[in-house]
Amino acid sequence: SYVLTQPPSVSVAPGQTARITCEGNNLGSKSVHWYQQKPGQAPVVVVYDNSDRPSGIPERFSGSNSGNTASLTISRVEAGDEADYYCQVWDSTTTVVFGGGTKLTVL
Amino acid sequence: QLQLQESGPGLVKPPETLSLTCIVSGGSISRSSYYWGWIRQPPGKALEWIGSIYYSGSTYYSPSLKSRVTISVDTSKNQFSLTLNSVTAADTAVYYCARQSPVDFSLAYWGQGALVTVSS
Repeated sequence: SYVLTQPPSVSVAPGQTARITCEGNNLGSKSVHWYQQKPGQAPVVVVYDNSDRPSGIPERFSGSNSGNTASLTISRVEAGDEADYYCQVWDSTTTVVFGGGTKLTVL
Repeated sequence: QLQLQESGPGLVKPPETLSLTCIVSGGSISRSSYYWGWIRQPPGKALEWIGSIYYSGSTYYSPSLKSRVTISVDTSKNQFSLTLNSVTAADTAVYYCARQSPVDFSLAYWGQGALVTVSS
């Protein structure tokens, strides 16, 4: 089965840039989506298809995907960005796969 | 605006069957070429995809849950349902329903989630 690996936690000071990675075999050939989940709430997609942003998501959120690693970059981090972030792909054998999630802490 | 709402019992005894329904409003299941899926999240843990159903009725299940899961759609009521058989405490989780793109399989619309506890 296909596996996506994320770091358990990332910490960043307000105003700095946070980068959250997602690793998988030949991930660059797949379409990666990123979700933000705040405590007690349903996930919200912040980046889809590697680098597209849904309407209403700030330009501070961006994504990239190449080789075996996809990244979610959050520029000018704010306290309100503190949340869990999950990457997700569709794989032909396992269908929908989520990463283990990364807790973003704003110091 | 599309809205999804999960409904069903909050407590299920092992080894009975868990049943949840997702009521869709603001859009028609039968008139749109989307997948409709179920995802769960045990307390303090990561998201886990359970399965999805296409508007036409084709289903796709997680290999790890396939033997116990059935997802069905009722277009007349604009809703879809999840049944999970032979539940154990490990099935305790918040269960979400969501709409899934047929193009890139992203999940753009989610329900608020329903906590289901498995306990005798």
